[in-house]
Amino acid sequence: RKEVEQDPGPFNVPEGATVAFNCTYSNSASQSFFWYRQDCRKEPKLLMSVYSSGNEDGRFTAQLNRASQYISLLIRDSKLSDSATYLCVVNGNYGQNFVFGPGTRLSVLP
Amino acid sequence: NAGVMQNPRHLVRRRGQEARLRCSPMKGHSHVYWYRQLPEEGLKFMVYLQKENIIDESGMPKERFSAEFPKEGPSILRIQQVVRGDSAAYFCASSPGGGARETQYFGPGTRLLVL
Repeated sequence: RKEVEQDPGPFNVPEGATVAFNCTYSNSASQSFFWYRQDCRKEPKLLMSVYSSGNEDGRFTAQLNRASQYISLLIRDSKLSDSATYLCVVNGNYGQNFVFGPGTRLSVLP
Repeated sequence: NAGVMQNPRHLVRRRGQEARLRCSPMKGHSHVYWYRQLPEEGLKFMVYLQKENIIDESGMPKERFSAEFPKEGPSILRIQQVVRGDSAAYFCASSPGGGARETQYFGPGTRLLVL
């Protein structure tokens, strides 16, 4: 089993749609969780950290379920500019590297 | 307030040559990470360094690859005797500390093409 797995995608949705991405991780000792986005041929950029209680940033909502080792990202009212690959990232113990999921590609269509 | 800087942005090498990739972390950051992204694949961790120390090199290939982060100057990822399979995007990230909750900020990457 891979350390971090994500919905395979791609997701093609119309503008204004709501879309949800799922991510599971295998290391129960993981301590911190992030969503990054990566545009084509660009570097990953932090979208949001994921906190135990769940958190929201504008149109984006992230949820964490430690018992199920599951993370989600919800995008509401999707925009064309949301088209990107969304990376689920898990960090383990101190000094541990980030473990990236393979990413889920989103295309928002006009 | 410059972000993470990497150079060169693009590097072309012939098989058997050496590639040197440089990374300057964000100001105030003392922790550097190198990742490799093969075409159409996710990012894979290679090595984690602090100034003058390699903390975790569990993702580095055992041969031909080395990394350093000297007291002065940028971090260097060195690939000796490159092969076509080394063609990839190499991203550097930095963080202010090394704790599990530290956010990593990425540079624009170096795209290595081995002919």
